[in-house]
Amino acid sequence: DGGITQSPKYLFRKEGQNVTLSCEQNLNHDAMYWYRQDPGQGLRLIYYSQIVNDFQKGDIAEGYSVSREKKESFPLTVTSAQKNPTAFYLCASSIRGRVAEAFFGQGTRLTVV
Amino acid sequence: GENVEQHPSTLSVQEGDSAVIKCTYSDSASNYFPWYKQELGKGPQLIIDIRSNVGEKKDQRIAVTLNKTAKHFSLHITETQPEDSAVYFCANGRKITGNQFYFGTGTSLTVIP
Repeated sequence: DGGITQSPKYLFRKEGQNVTLSCEQNLNHDAMYWYRQDPGQGLRLIYYSQIVNDFQKGDIAEGYSVSREKKESFPLTVTSAQKNPTAFYLCASSIRGRVAEAFFGQGTRLTVV
Repeated sequence: GENVEQHPSTLSVQEGDSAVIKCTYSDSASNYFPWYKQELGKGPQLIIDIRSNVGEKKDQRIAVTLNKTAKHFSLHITETQPEDSAVYFCANGRKITGNQFYFGTGTSLTVIP
């Protein structure tokens, strides 16, 4: 079945450690996105990539890094520079430029203690 | 940046009643207004959208209305069913082919059997 997979579903890390969230899609989509979801707030765009080896900062990119070495994969690293990393992270993919029609993964809930 | 306000934040209705969720936006250049449904433990899914050249769109029990002059748009769900219980997000963007949309803060809808 085609889809977008995020792993793990729950992740715990100690403060000061970098952590990488996985996102894989087999939909043959060029574009991929990372969003952060906090209680009482809408989804906020962290990074997006329209094509392999290219990515752009979203509204809240500080403290995060990404790579896009393969079309299928768009991992997100939450670095120790992110001041408030505990959140629900959603990855999405779409036909290039059509973010409104994106398919979302089931999310990773990151808790930093 | 764009400011999308969504109301109410929580909504409880009896099964069979209607539910209405409203969003206001500030970017007068917005042309595309999608709505998403997020079920527990899942990523958001696009359920309906409307473009700025249309005032209303309907898909079975779901309808969306748009008032560009007043900069607000609404989601209407009629004959609600328990499976409609979820978090609903509005969003807006400048064009369907754009790379970025701004999301509302979400409405948690509970349909009481």
